[in-house]
Amino acid sequence: DAGVTQSPTHLIKTRGQHVTLRCSPISGHKSVSWYQQVLGQGPQFIFQYYEKEERGRGNFPDRFSARQFPNYSSELNVNALLLGDSALYLCASSLTLVNEAFFGQGTRLTVV
Amino acid sequence: QKEVEQNSGPLSVPEGAIASLNCTYSDRGSQSFFWYRQYSGKSPELIMFIYSNGDKEDGRFTAQLNKASQYVSLLIRDSQPSDSATYLCAVTHSGGGADGLTFGKGTHLIIQP
Repeated sequence: DAGVTQSPTHLIKTRGQHVTLRCSPISGHKSVSWYQQVLGQGPQFIFQYYEKEERGRGNFPDRFSARQFPNYSSELNVNALLLGDSALYLCASSLTLVNEAFFGQGTRLTVV
Repeated sequence: QKEVEQNSGPLSVPEGAIASLNCTYSDRGSQSFFWYRQYSGKSPELIMFIYSNGDKEDGRFTAQLNKASQYVSLLIRDSQPSDSATYLCAVTHSGGGADGLTFGKGTHLIIQP
């Protein structure tokens, strides 16, 4: 069975640009969550979606937005990129909101 | 502020010994507890989860939870060089999971051959 897949794996953007990251959950999983991980830190929660609705949001600015599609895949959008947005962006899927979460391989975003 | 605390290490353990990793959390209402392993440059991999007080064993791994002390630990028996990684402790809070996972900063474990 395919695990969580994210695309692209690496991305380089310029300050001020926007970026869209994509995630396909494990088949049958209805919840997708997004995390940001900077070097030396644990992942920080950005968003959680379940059944196509936003169920939780972390302490990130409004430049960050996301959505979940009818097939349960998800996009994370970041506008007006800052140097500080450079990080590993992780998508995790779970059966529901409270089950174990499995991570994709991540998207390494570099903002220059 | 809901926090998860881990000793960042590095924790150095001889091959074949028991590695003991510890984690404390601040939210007494935390409901679910997870241990992830993360190799350098890779994404976190779920290795254990525990929901109730006590011990849970899976192969060489044992997770221990003490909600009264707000403490969760991971024991790795017969440590192997391939166990060298950063171990992340994560919890879900009393909001039914909608707040996602709160992670500690991780403990860097080194297994010395």
